Amino acid sequence: DQQVKQNSPSLSVQEGRISILNCDYTNSMFDYFLWYKKYPAEGPTFLISISSIKDKNEDGRFTVFLNKSAKHLSLHIVPSQPGDSAVYFCAASALSGAGSYQLTFGKGTKLSVIP
Amino acid sequence: DTGVSQDPRHKITKRGQNVTFRCDPISEHNRLYWYRQTLGQGPEFLTYFQNEAQLEKSRLLSDRFSAERPKGSFSTLEIQRTEQGDSAMYLCAWGEGNEQFFGPGTRLTVL
Repeated sequence: DQQVKQNSPSLSVQEGRISILNCDYTNSMFDYFLWYKKYPAEGPTFLISISSIKDKNEDGRFTVFLNKSAKHLSLHIVPSQPGDSAVYFCAASALSGAGSYQLTFGKGTKLSVIP
Repeated sequence: DTGVSQDPRHKITKRGQNVTFRCDPISEHNRLYWYRQTLGQGPEFLTYFQNEAQLEKSRLLSDRFSAERPKGSFSTLEIQRTEQGDSAMYLCAWGEGNEQFFGPGTRLTVL
């Protein structure tokens, strides 16, 4: 049972336009959400996060929106740049009884920004 | 700089051999995590350390896998009697509250 879903395996966007990456989750216990960017043969790089008590968080060109009632979050990148081309992973966490914030990831969306 | 290095970056081994990976946080972080990422999937949680104590293990961590974090600094992940299904990227991350920061990973190929 996949608790975090990224239903679009790929997305192509023109340079300068907005990229919108979507993520859905099923586990109501998740209370923190993160987006990572990953290049081939590298580890994921943290981009931006949001707590479940908020509905929006912004950092430069990146904005994450959270709709708790719909169990849906999205990452907006504007304007998109060719260097943004990578695989983007959505992740969710909840504090476990053992004190860990283990992350549950989606399968990723490959973003291609066309010059 | 993600604050954690991993060694080796690539490992090719034959089925049945044992392999060991190392993770070095650049500065001491209490929380350390191991994940595994296979092709077409997101990273999957393997295990969690708080200082030197291994507090949580995933069901993915079969008895062929063992992880340690002596003295709460670096950590090792050993796989015994490797199988082709163990081929994956093994990622180490340090945690600060809810956020985690990943190392570059070790790519394991089992022939």
